[in-house]
Amino acid sequence: GAGVSQSPSNKVTEKGKDVELRCDPISGHTALYWYRQSLGQGLEFLIYFQGNSAPDKSGLPSDRFSAERTGGSVSTLTIQRTQQEDSAVYLCASSSDLAGRETQYFGPGTRLLVL
Amino acid sequence: DQQVKQNSPSLSVQEGRISILNCDYTNSMFDYFLWYKKYPAEGPTFLISISSIKDKNEDGRFTVFLNKSAKHLSLHIVPSQPGDSAVYFCAASGTGNQFYFGTGTSLTVIP
Repeated sequence: GAGVSQSPSNKVTEKGKDVELRCDPISGHTALYWYRQSLGQGLEFLIYFQGNSAPDKSGLPSDRFSAERTGGSVSTLTIQRTQQEDSAVYLCASSSDLAGRETQYFGPGTRLLVL
Repeated sequence: DQQVKQNSPSLSVQEGRISILNCDYTNSMFDYFLWYKKYPAEGPTFLISISSIKDKNEDGRFTVFLNKSAKHLSLHIVPSQPGDSAVYFCAASGTGNQFYFGTGTSLTVIP
């Protein structure tokens, strides 16, 4: 079956512009995570969606970052007024988990470069 | 503040020998640990996990060891194969939804 897909695969933008990154999770997976990986860093948790529950936004680095998940499936991560330090690989993962212990399946990531 | 640390950014091993990748954590509330493998231009893929009620979990050539008193876990790959060359991330979680990842160790298996 299809895995997690993300689009675009690469995005170059100018400082100050807004960007939207999309994640299509595996069908039927109720949990969805966004992470980012900056150069030389580990994966940094951003946000977590679980079913219809309120998302865990505790990892979002600033109010310029927001995410939504429509219909419990596709998710969009939006970065407003991008800054150069936002340049990173943004990874989405989904799992069938209800208890925080199931395998997360990652997408290939979106490589964002802010000039 | 990095709660999960992989202090070796890279490791080279001869084919057929053992690869040992190490990971340290600081939060004593972590009770579930995972290893992921990542090839270039791909997302990480799950490799093996261990719960804090165990000190060892084995899956084929891959074994994860957990030393709770030292807050240390390691991944052993025996025998190492060239296809194992990748970046390996350890991750940990406790209560809550967050998984904390290390910075990764790049393994090169030399044929």
